[in-house]
Amino acid sequence: EVQLVESGGGVVRPGGSLRLSCAASGFTFDDYGMSWVRQAPGKGLEWVSGINWNGGSIGYADSVKGRFTISRDSAKNSLYLQMNSLRDEDTALYHCARASMVRGIISWAFDIWGQGTMVAVSS
Amino acid sequence: EIVMTQSPATLSVSPGERATLSCRASQSISSNLAWYQQKPGQALRLLIYDASTRATGIPARFSGSGSGTEFTLTISSLQSEDFAVYYCQQNNNWPLTFGGGTKVEIK
Repeated sequence: EVQLVESGGGVVRPGGSLRLSCAASGFTFDDYGMSWVRQAPGKGLEWVSGINWNGGSIGYADSVKGRFTISRDSAKNSLYLQMNSLRDEDTALYHCARASMVRGIISWAFDIWGQGTMVAVSS
Repeated sequence: EIVMTQSPATLSVSPGERATLSCRASQSISSNLAWYQQKPGQALRLLIYDASTRATGIPARFSGSGSGTEFTLTISSLQSEDFAVYYCQQNNNWPLTFGGGTKVEIK
C-alpha cells in the first residue's frame, strides 16, 4: 500500500524549533518529488516547501523562507522539515504530499497525502 | 506569487443535482491546475490534474475544464459522498498556491 506517515509534531513556544518527519512506503521514494503543505485550524491549504527527487531543486513559501529547511533521506525513505524560529502563525496541521508523475515527468499535483502531524506554537 | 480565487465559498446542492465550482488564477497558468477533495478525518484526494484529466479511480461524474486563468470543476450528479470541501491548486510556478476552497453542502 502506498502510504505517507508524518510524525514529530507537538506544542512549542514561539521562537522554538521542531523537526517533522514523513515516512514513505509502498513506492520508490527516489523517483518522486515531495512537499509539505499545511492547514491552520479552520483554514485552507498552504504550500510550505517542496523538493525534487534528488534534492537538487528546493523551494519555499515566502512565509517560511529562511526559517524552515526541507530535506530527504533516500536510505530511510523519509522526508523532513526542520522548523526554526517558530511563530504563532505556524500553528497548523502539516501534511506530507507526493508530487505525481505524468508521462514520466514530475507534476506538482499531489497524488498521495499523509494524514498530517499537528504543530501548535503557543506561549 | 500567483493568487488563486475560488467561488463560491459555499455551494448548497441537492443530491442528484449538478455542482459547478470555479477557480480563477491571477495570471495565466496554462493547464497546470489540480483539484482536490477534503473530507474530515480523511487524507486529501487528488481529483483532477492538468485542468481536465481525472486522477486514477476518480468517477466520471467529476470533470474539469478551462485553461489560462479560468477553470471549472463540475460534479454532474452529486452523491452523498461528494459533500466535502474542494480546493484548486496551480502547479505552474513555485511557490505553489491553493485557492481558499469551496464547501459543497447538502441543500
